[in-house]
Amino acid sequence: KNEVEQSPQNLTAQEGEFITINCSYSVGISALHWLQQHPGGGIVSLFMLSSGKKKHGRLIATINIQEKHSSLHITASHPRDSAVYICAALSSGNTPLVFGKGTRLSVIA
Amino acid sequence: GAGVSQSPSNKVTEKGKDVELRCDPISGHTALYWYRQSLGQGLEFLIYFQGNSAPDKSGLPSDRFSAERTGGSVSTLTIQRTQQEDSAVYLCASSYGGSVEKLFFGSGTQLSVL
Repeated sequence: KNEVEQSPQNLTAQEGEFITINCSYSVGISALHWLQQHPGGGIVSLFMLSSGKKKHGRLIATINIQEKHSSLHITASHPRDSAVYICAALSSGNTPLVFGKGTRLSVIA
Repeated sequence: GAGVSQSPSNKVTEKGKDVELRCDPISGHTALYWYRQSLGQGLEFLIYFQGNSAPDKSGLPSDRFSAERTGGSVSTLTIQRTQQEDSAVYLCASSYGGSVEKLFFGSGTQLSVL
């Protein structure tokens, strides 16, 4: 079992919909990253969280350390949001990141 | 430089040949990571450099893989006697102080072993 699980694996949404991507992890962590990988392959770091909530534009990331769960929300989704979203956990033992398998999001106009 | 730079962007090689992949991190970043992503698969950790500490090589899949980081800056990932299963996109990322800092990724090297 992967230490970091994401759901759903694939998600198709209509433009304008509110989107939630979930990430659960089984290890104790000190931080969690949300990454975005565009169809061309480039990876962009969206958020790094250790507690609470962060917001950047239409993107919101939350983390619940006790429940070992994080969510990435996209409000007013747009076709340009289509990408693979990856969560990655840094364990409390400070070993390098453990990645989820990603959620492939397609937003249709 | 303005971002993490990787070269070459594409490399096609024959099975059994050695290859070297280069990563130029953002100036001042002390942490450098190598990952790879095989077709349709998730990211796989390979090796992690942090400052002058001994690198974490726990992700290297075999002894054909090695990496070094000279002067705390540029890193080279070497794959000896390449195999077809080594075909993947090899990604480099750097950050200021380690995994708790925001990561900046290079655009990757697409390696194809024929």
